[in-house]
Amino acid sequence: EPEVTQTPSHQVTQMGQEVILRCVPISNHLYFYWYRQILGQKVEFLVSFYNNEISEKSEIFDDQFSVERPDGSNFTLKIRSTKLEDSAMYFCATTTGQGQETQYFGPGTRLLVL
Amino acid sequence: AQSVTQLDSQVPVFEEAPVELRCNYSSSVSVYLFWYVQYPNQGLQLLLKYLSGSTLVKGINGFEAEFNKSQTSFHLRKPSVHINDTAEYFCAVSPQGSGNTPLVFGKGTRLSVIA
Repeated sequence: EPEVTQTPSHQVTQMGQEVILRCVPISNHLYFYWYRQILGQKVEFLVSFYNNEISEKSEIFDDQFSVERPDGSNFTLKIRSTKLEDSAMYFCATTTGQGQETQYFGPGTRLLVL
Repeated sequence: AQSVTQLDSQVPVFEEAPVELRCNYSSSVSVYLFWYVQYPNQGLQLLLKYLSGSTLVKGINGFEAEFNKSQTSFHLRKPSVHINDTAEYFCAVSPQGSGNTPLVFGKGTRLSVIA
């Protein structure tokens, strides 16, 4: 069964450093999402992306964050200057983009900012 | 805007016993409803979803949920749990008719099945 994959599985970084989280969507999926889950809290929506542009974003998704699909396969989330409070599990999710369908989630990247 | 409340953060239950995980939601519009499961060190996997039609929805691994519009609830049930049902369970909603809208999640319920 096709899967969404994410790399790295874990990342530790120093405050102020840039990090890039990568997601490989299921091959025929065109609509992509990033969510995050701070330890002990609920899963929160960050941003959705379709047709090479942001479709929707939450108030969490400020100027420190950016998304792109650099090579037609990977879908990336960049945090320009990490803060302690960015420590969380980051999930990528994808759908075909044809309507309200199941969002398929990747295994997540656990980011720890020191 | 939508919100989801999962009243129980942790639910311990003995193997082969029944379980109910509670989910209530708040929304000014009609919603789609979902239950996801997260096994240790894995991503979120869809258990079941309610889009329309019958209010009793059957999912994978013997789980089912019932949509109750008057009580704004979507409780998840299984008549007999197994050890490998131990996981985190998330209830989520999204507004109907808005295609590809992001999910709004509850905080999750950790189900621990005891042998």
